[in-house]
Amino acid sequence: QITLKESGPTLVKPTQTLTLTCTFSGFSLDTSGVGVGWVRQPPGKALEWVALFYWDEDQRYSPSLKTRLTITKDTYKNQVVLTMTNMDPVDTATYYCVRRRDDSFGYWGQGTQVTVSS
Amino acid sequence: QSALTQPHSVSGSPGQSVTISCTGTSSDVGGYDHVSWYQQHPGKVPKLVIYNVSQRPSGVPDRFSGSKSANTASLTISGLQAEDEADYYCCSFVGGYTYVFGTGTKVTVL
Repeated sequence: QITLKESGPTLVKPTQTLTLTCTFSGFSLDTSGVGVGWVRQPPGKALEWVALFYWDEDQRYSPSLKTRLTITKDTYKNQVVLTMTNMDPVDTATYYCVRRRDDSFGYWGQGTQVTVSS
Repeated sequence: QSALTQPHSVSGSPGQSVTISCTGTSSDVGGYDHVSWYQQHPGKVPKLVIYNVSQRPSGVPDRFSGSKSANTASLTISGLQAEDEADYYCCSFVGGYTYVFGTGTKVTVL
């Protein structure tokens, strides 16, 4: 059974750095073609692809967010960690952890709500 | 990369068919056969219903079908049911192993 679960703060202040952790199980990030990453959704708005960590250690980022993002993995803990610097109220959203395979996102976490406010 | 363009809303009566378009460019939708579609009910997690333009994951009813022509992909829901009322998002591989989602479409069952 494949599961993904997000964890991290629910409230951050403007200019702070956000760190989100995705803990997954039921598959290996070492399997060819697999990726684990993030998709976000501001309240009442559309989904937005954020970042992916690939099986071959490659990391890819949304061009509009690239300068603020870092995605890493902890193999032993089956975790992928996203850091986003210089948080702004427009970054308020539900952040979903996703598994990528066959160029699609077939498995999603439950999502974690992040609010950026002073 | 800009979000893919979808109609804001579509509607149909039970049993009818509705089609949602997803328009991009030759750099995304038109350049790769890697378009996927997601269904999201209010307050719920998105669910994959179509991948690689026209493939259905296990468990997705065959009422859902996908296609693509040039820079536009489409999702068709045949035999519309009340439970199909939801938001739908397309997503395309862009190259450089990145992705872009669509603007989303609200499907209403009349």
